[in-house]
Amino acid sequence: DIVMTQAPDSLTVSLGERATINCKSSQTVFYSSNKKNYLAWFQQKPGQPPKLLIYWASTRDSGVPDRFSGSGSGTDFTLTINSLQAEDVAVYYCQQYYTTPQTFGQGTKVEIK
Amino acid sequence: QVQLVQSGAAVKEPGSSVKVSCQTSGDTFDSFGISWVRQAPGQGFEWMAGIIPYFDTTKYAQNFQGRVTIAADKFTSTVYMELSGLRSGDTAVYFCARTHSFSGHYFYYMDVWGEGTTVIVSS
Repeated sequence: DIVMTQAPDSLTVSLGERATINCKSSQTVFYSSNKKNYLAWFQQKPGQPPKLLIYWASTRDSGVPDRFSGSGSGTDFTLTINSLQAEDVAVYYCQQYYTTPQTFGQGTKVEIK
Repeated sequence: QVQLVQSGAAVKEPGSSVKVSCQTSGDTFDSFGISWVRQAPGQGFEWMAGIIPYFDTTKYAQNFQGRVTIAADKFTSTVYMELSGLRSGDTAVYFCARTHSFSGHYFYYMDVWGEGTTVIVSS
């Protein structure tokens, strides 16, 4: 199975500042034939299901604010939240869908300073 | 607005089975897969299995092989997940999620999730 490792485990950021979450996969999730990275990012708030933010490593899902952006390729990826808002307090997960079983990172908790 | 409606919470005894349902629309059934993912209390996510109803494709995580079965009812656009041999470690919230797929075989990203079904395993 592909192991997904996120850093840091938790992050405290001031309102309006930038939050950066890193995700590393134990093997590449880049498929050379279509040049796509099979990597998604989710946001989960307490008592709610996960919400898809980003897929194909950098494509924002419909309705996701543009302060959320994804980057990276191969085995190293980043989720950036520009100008953090109060409603962004949540746990964020990366997930690979390059192979089954699909696997998730352990999560990064984002809080307001 | 696409919705996935899951069955209600369940309390089960160790060794028994639980069957969780996930109802969606016909459009979803014809064009997407459905995955099952669980989240133990205070823990991360574990992908269990997926089905692409139009192609009758199913895939199971090795960790659950032999214990989990998923099936689709095309008449009611409902997917069922049954987990047998329940133990305390199966206590979790079970989510179904609409899954983009390709070529009837590949499971891609999950974009719409059900609200989750809490399953508690306790004697």
